[in-house]
Amino acid sequence: EVQLLESGGGLVEPGGSLKLSCAASGFTFSSYAMSWVRQAPGKGLEWVSAIGGSGGSTYYADSVKGRFTISRDNSKNRLYLQMNSLRAEDTAIYYCAKGDRVVAAYNWFDSWGQGALVTVSS
Amino acid sequence: DIQMTQSPSTLSASVGDRVTITCRASQSISSWLAWYQQKPGKAPKLLIYKASSLETGVPSRFSGSGSGTEFTLTISSLQPDDFATYYCQQYNSYSWTFGQGTKVEIK
Repeated sequence: EVQLLESGGGLVEPGGSLKLSCAASGFTFSSYAMSWVRQAPGKGLEWVSAIGGSGGSTYYADSVKGRFTISRDNSKNRLYLQMNSLRAEDTAIYYCAKGDRVVAAYNWFDSWGQGALVTVSS
Repeated sequence: DIQMTQSPSTLSASVGDRVTITCRASQSISSWLAWYQQKPGKAPKLLIYKASSLETGVPSRFSGSGSGTEFTLTISSLQPDDFATYYCQQYNSYSWTFGQGTKVEIK
């Protein structure tokens, strides 16, 4: 059974940094692209970032480009999202999501974690 | 970026009703479309991929159709467990986009 478990969320001041982690199990982690998707309180879903199975290809939404960095450690079956220069509008639940193939292109998300809440406020 | 527009935003229906949700893309995305169901406080769940392929374990009352820019999600006979919010998502490019969501409420 695929399991994705996010951690690292919390309260951070504007301009601060936070690093999310997603522990994966139940599948061959390196064989699948992964993404982060967020959902602001009471709002819809917004894709944030994606990474290919090898970690060599990364993609970002314009709203986070230059501030967020996605990475993965295939030896530890972990996905990460380093978030810098955080803004109030980054407040959201952040989900990690598993793609259906090793390359990020043309991926749908077939498994999701339970989410980690990030609150940016002074 | 490709924009996705869902309609309606809210839908009131009764158990047993046939329900249809529409999703329109701002440009052609072939069949690169997925549908997700989300219940309050829970993560989204994949229902349909490639516009019309049913995810394993999803009840057959759910179906998807369309290609290019117009897509539909149909629930043939609404069940109590189906009251939720539904999102479409395009994955045609390296910038995945979701629709704004359709909330299916009890009439």
